[in-house]
Amino acid sequence: QGQLVQSGAEVKMPGASVKVSCKASGYTISYYGLTWVRQAPGQGLEWMGWISPYNGKTNYAQSLQGRVSMTRDTSTTTAYMELRSLRSDDTAVYYCARGLSSAYPGAFDIWGQGTVVTVSS
Amino acid sequence: DIQMTQSPSSLSASVGDRVTITCRASQSISTYLNWYQQKPGKAPKLLIYAASSLQSGVPSTFSGGASGTDFTLTISSLQPEDFATYYCQQSYTTPWTFGQGTKVEIK
Repeated sequence: QGQLVQSGAEVKMPGASVKVSCKASGYTISYYGLTWVRQAPGQGLEWMGWISPYNGKTNYAQSLQGRVSMTRDTSTTTAYMELRSLRSDDTAVYYCARGLSSAYPGAFDIWGQGTVVTVSS
Repeated sequence: DIQMTQSPSSLSASVGDRVTITCRASQSISTYLNWYQQKPGKAPKLLIYAASSLQSGVPSTFSGGASGTDFTLTISSLQPEDFATYYCQQSYTTPWTFGQGTKVEIK
């Protein structure tokens, strides 16, 4: 049915970068979109961007443009999200999530367990 | 960006109650509307996609409806495991935005 397993918690200084991994199993990563969503402590869900299934093109939230990169490695079935120039308000749980289908990629049926990223001096 | 506004922000209900949560889009999104359930410390879970399609494995006590830019999530008979926060999300156009959430608490 599929599973997404994310890398472990990170603590970073302001201005640093973080790279979170998301390993897919049980399905072919290139057939489904992969979205990243974050959730600040006690807050709601924020869409960060996604990688489209066929050509790997990316689409990022305007608020993160220039600081975020999303990539995938089909050989290792792993997706990555890198966020640069970290600020304290980037402290959040970061989730990767699979799109439901190629025809309906904007609903997310499989989620990673979440990666806590803490930005603090 | 399309704004998604949920109401209420929170509600208290009893086991067995019928509960309805509303989500309004700031512009037309056709039926590109999805609902998620999130419990503390857990990832969200997809309940409903395309406004009214029940995700596989989700109990039939959950249902979704649509009228113009207004969408509803209804729980026909609230169960103890349904106490959680619920989010709507539009997937009509990027950025795929979420509502602010509705917390369903035990009365």
